Amino acid sequence: DGGITQSPKYLFRKEGQNVTLSCEQNLNHDAMYWYRQDPGQGLRLIYYSQIVNDFQKGDIAEGYSVSREKKESFPLTVTSAQKNPTAFYLCASSIDLSGFNEQFFGPGTRLTVL
Amino acid sequence: DAKTTQPPSMDCAEGRAANLPCNHSTISGNEYVYWYRQIHSQGPQYIIHGLKNNETNEMASLIITEDRKSSTLILPHATLRDTAVYYCIVRVASADTPLVFGKGTRLSVIA
Repeated sequence: DGGITQSPKYLFRKEGQNVTLSCEQNLNHDAMYWYRQDPGQGLRLIYYSQIVNDFQKGDIAEGYSVSREKKESFPLTVTSAQKNPTAFYLCASSIDLSGFNEQFFGPGTRLTVL
Repeated sequence: DAKTTQPPSMDCAEGRAANLPCNHSTISGNEYVYWYRQIHSQGPQYIIHGLKNNETNEMASLIITEDRKSSTLILPHATLRDTAVYYCIVRVASADTPLVFGKGTRLSVIA
């Protein structure tokens, strides 16, 4: 089955700890994205990557970091500098950044910082 | 700045058509209208997109007004599984920029 996997589905961390969220895709897509969603809100873009070894900040990149060492993987690290990290995190991918190709989303990781 | 305006919530009876409106009065000539939906606690799912002609696929129909300042997503026979948040997004298709999601419309399909 082709698709996007995010693990784990639920994640709990203590305040002050860094945590890395996994995102893997086997769709052979060049572009990948990370969004954050808070209750009752829309999705906000954290980071995106157009190609391996390249990524761009989105609207709310502060307190987050990413890497894109492989085409199929785009992990997101939530650092201790992120003031309010508890949220639902969604990873997505598309053939490229253009709107001619739809974005496919993973099932999401719900992060709770205690 | 929001490029689209959608009602925060709507109800629809099961089996009836659900008509979800979207205003995009500042849309420019090369911007497309996209619709995605998000079922509770899942990732969003692409539905349909269009430029100026009406579009239809197996999920829905998209009706865009002649002046392109508004559009309507139509789910012809809504089921309980169509209960979701529906996002209307406007963007230039050829631009290398990600989708920007607003708050969308929460559609509740009622039995």
